[in-house]
Amino acid sequence: EEQLVESGGGLVQPGGSLRLSCAASGFTFSSYEMNWVRQTPGKGLEWLSHITTSGGTIYYADSVKGRFTMSRDNAKNSLYLQMNSLRGDDTAIYYCARRFNLWGRGTLVTVSS
Amino acid sequence: EIVLTQSPGTLSLSPGERATLSCRASQSFSTTYLAWHQQTPGQAPRLLIYGTSIRAPGIPDRFSGSGSGTDFTLIISRLEPEDFAVYYCQYYGGSPYTFGQGTKLEIK
Repeated sequence: EEQLVESGGGLVQPGGSLRLSCAASGFTFSSYEMNWVRQTPGKGLEWLSHITTSGGTIYYADSVKGRFTMSRDNAKNSLYLQMNSLRGDDTAIYYCARRFNLWGRGTLVTVSS
Repeated sequence: EIVLTQSPGTLSLSPGERATLSCRASQSFSTTYLAWHQQTPGQAPRLLIYGTSIRAPGIPDRFSGSGSGTDFTLIISRLEPEDFAVYYCQYYGGSPYTFGQGTKLEIK
């Protein structure tokens, strides 16, 4: 079964950092471009970042550019999102998505003092 | 950046009825790059339609998509109880990939 499982979410203070992971299984991870998308409680979806198969090209939304860093390890079938300088409006459920045709269940990040 | 505006915000219908959801873009783009996702409460989004009109694997044929240019439509021909959810259109032709704000389809 093709699956994505996010982890690493939790409670963090404003200005803090968190690293999210996304474990892929059931498909050839290295063949697919990947994305991070978040959803604030009760709100819509916001695309955050996109990475090519090799990791050589990465795009970011303006809202996270310079604070978040996306990366992947094809040998470990894993995707990452390093989040720094976190703010209250970063509180959200964070999803990884394979080309938007396969989504994980998400991991909740809460930024609060 | 392509801004997607969905209408209506909320659509109240009964099972068996036909639902028509609209997605309007701030600028024209290829039909290749328009998708629709469904999200039920507490669940991750699920891809329904890509390339404007191509159903994703396993999606029932009561779901259909159409459109071109700046105007796109998702039609659910006969609503089933499990179809009551939030629907998002999405542009994925290049960064930034954008989502509409969603249409909530609720039971009347």
